[in-house]
This record gives sequence, C-alpha cells and structure tokens, in this order.
Amino acid sequence: DQQVKQNSPSLSVQEGRISILNCDYTNSMFDYFLWYKKYPAEGPTFLISISSIKDKNEDGRFTVFLNKSAKHLSLHIVPSQPGDSAVYFCAASGGGGSNYKLTFGKGTLLTVNP
Amino acid sequence: GAGVSQSPSNKVTEKGKDVELRCDPISGHTALYWYRQSLGQGLEFLIYFQGNSAPDKSGLPSDRFSAERTGGSVSTLTIQRTQQEDSAVYLCASSLVVSGVQPQHFGDGTRLSIL
Repeated sequence: DQQVKQNSPSLSVQEGRISILNCDYTNSMFDYFLWYKKYPAEGPTFLISISSIKDKNEDGRFTVFLNKSAKHLSLHIVPSQPGDSAVYFCAASGGGGSNYKLTFGKGTLLTVNP
Repeated sequence: GAGVSQSPSNKVTEKGKDVELRCDPISGHTALYWYRQSLGQGLEFLIYFQGNSAPDKSGLPSDRFSAERTGGSVSTLTIQRTQQEDSAVYLCASSLVVSGVQPQHFGDGTRLSIL
C-alpha cells in the first residue's frame, strides 16, 4: 500500500510560469515532509522541507504548502526555469519511532519549456 | 569529499554472484541510510545505521542482503547469490544525526544490473 502518492507522473510548464507539484499521503503519523529533485544518473538532491507544525515554508523560488487535514502537500516553483526540469520526489517521515525512515512517492517529471 | 560518495557507479554481474557496494558518507554525519530504486518505483528504505549499529534492518528484502558500517564512517551493502530482481539503483544517504527533522543527503547511487 502506497503511503505517499504523486498522482501526476509528468508536468510540463512554460518558462516563467508557476509549477505546482502535488503529493498526497495516507499515514497520519507522518510529521516531516521533504521534496527532492533528481537529475538523470544523479542522486536525489534535497530541496525543501516542512514540519507538520507549519503550513508553509519558503526558500527563494520554492514554497511548500502542507494541508494536514487533507493529507496533502504541494511544491510551488515560481518562476519556473529550464534548469528546474527534473524528477521531483515527495518524501515523508515520522511517527511510531521510525522518524529516520523516508517514505517516497514515485516522482513527477517536470519539464520547463523555454 | 563534500558529498556522499558511492562506488562503483555501475556494476554488471551474473546471476548467482555476490556483490559489494560501498558508501562513504559526508564527514561528521553519524547516521547512514541505504535505499534502492527499482525501475519505475520510488525509493525503498533498506537499512540505517546510527554509528556502527543498525537498529532497523526490516527493509532488507531477504537474508541474502547484509550491511555493515565500520569506524562510524564507510558502509558496505553486500548481496549474496544475486537474482535478477536485485537489479536496481542502490542509493546511500547520510545525515548529521538520526532525527525526524534532519534532511538526508544522497549519493549518486550504484546501478546494479544482474544478467
């Protein structure tokens, strides 16, 4: 059973526009959420995180929103740039003494067109 | 080095052979993690180390898989009698401490192909 779901396998946006990547989770014990970016043949690179005590965290062009009641989080990239083209993974951890274990979604391939 | 280093970057071997994958974490990071990513899947947790101890091995797929860490630094993941379903990218990550609010930093992985 997938506890972290990224329902859109791919997303295409124009340079300069907003990219919105979505993620849903089912485990209410999760209390820390992260986004990673991955280029081909490289490992995932940490992008931004949010704790469950917050509903928003911002870092430059990247903002993560958390809606705990809906068990939903999203990553906004504004403005999108061609270099942002990559696979984005949502991950979650927490609860039950297993806060070290990240549970990942399957990823969303973002393509930013010039 | 500045980041997590994994070797080899690629490994092709025949079914039934043993393989050993190496991970060198970020200097000073006490926590080390192994994940794998099979084709079309998300990353799957295998095992983690706090220092040289592995408190949770529950993610290891079978008893053919083992891992150790020495000196609180380098870790090796060993797969014995490899099977075709072991083909995947094996990723290592490290974090400063084991904590629910510390991001894990990943290496570039070892792409393992079993013929």
